[in-house]
Amino acid sequence: QVHLVQSGAEVKKPGASVKVSCKASGYSFSSYPIHWVRQAPGQRLEWMGWINVGNGNRKYSQKFQDRVTITTDTSASTAYMELSSLRSEDTAIYYCARGLTTVTVSEYYFYMDVWGRGTTVTVSS
Amino acid sequence: SYELTQPPSVSVSPGQTARITCSGDALPGKYVYWYQQKSGQGPVLVIYDDTKRPSEIPGRFSGSGSGTMATLTVSGAQVEDEADYYCYSTDSSENPLFGGGTKLTVL
Repeated sequence: QVHLVQSGAEVKKPGASVKVSCKASGYSFSSYPIHWVRQAPGQRLEWMGWINVGNGNRKYSQKFQDRVTITTDTSASTAYMELSSLRSEDTAIYYCARGLTTVTVSEYYFYMDVWGRGTTVTVSS
Repeated sequence: SYELTQPPSVSVSPGQTARITCSGDALPGKYVYWYQQKSGQGPVLVIYDDTKRPSEIPGRFSGSGSGTMATLTVSGAQVEDEADYYCYSTDSSENPLFGGGTKLTVL
């Protein structure tokens, strides 16, 4: 069974960085991308970026491009999301999710099937 | 900026049919995906590629779409279907985005 286990809750001060981990099991880690999505209190889900675990290619949301870094350690079947220059608005639950792709004649669709349970990041002075 | 719009809430009695809509100007010709999120849990994929259902999802969940609107239908909704539901698709630059979410109440 596919599982994504995320690291525990974090409390950070404004300006600091946070690094969240996501350990995968139950499938071939290198064969599927990993996405990161966050949800601030009372807000919609927000896609942050993804990494093609097989070749290391990454794409980030324009909103987070300057502050987020997604990496993987294939030997540990673990993905990481690091967000820097934290501010109070970054208080949210951060999710990792396994990615799937649908290919049509005209487009690629990147979506997620299995999600982790989320990591709460609180930014407070 | 481009957004996917959902009604904030939908309420039905057990056994009734619930319909949750997702509208967006860029939806025509694009696949839509639906996620269920119960309190304190990560999202679960319930519909992919507009109409397909993962094998573990009950048959009462179905998806459809027409023009600028996609619809998630829960036929014969059960109490355990109470959750937030999010649609997901891409904008014209293939950037992923989620709808605002709809709280489904079954009581």
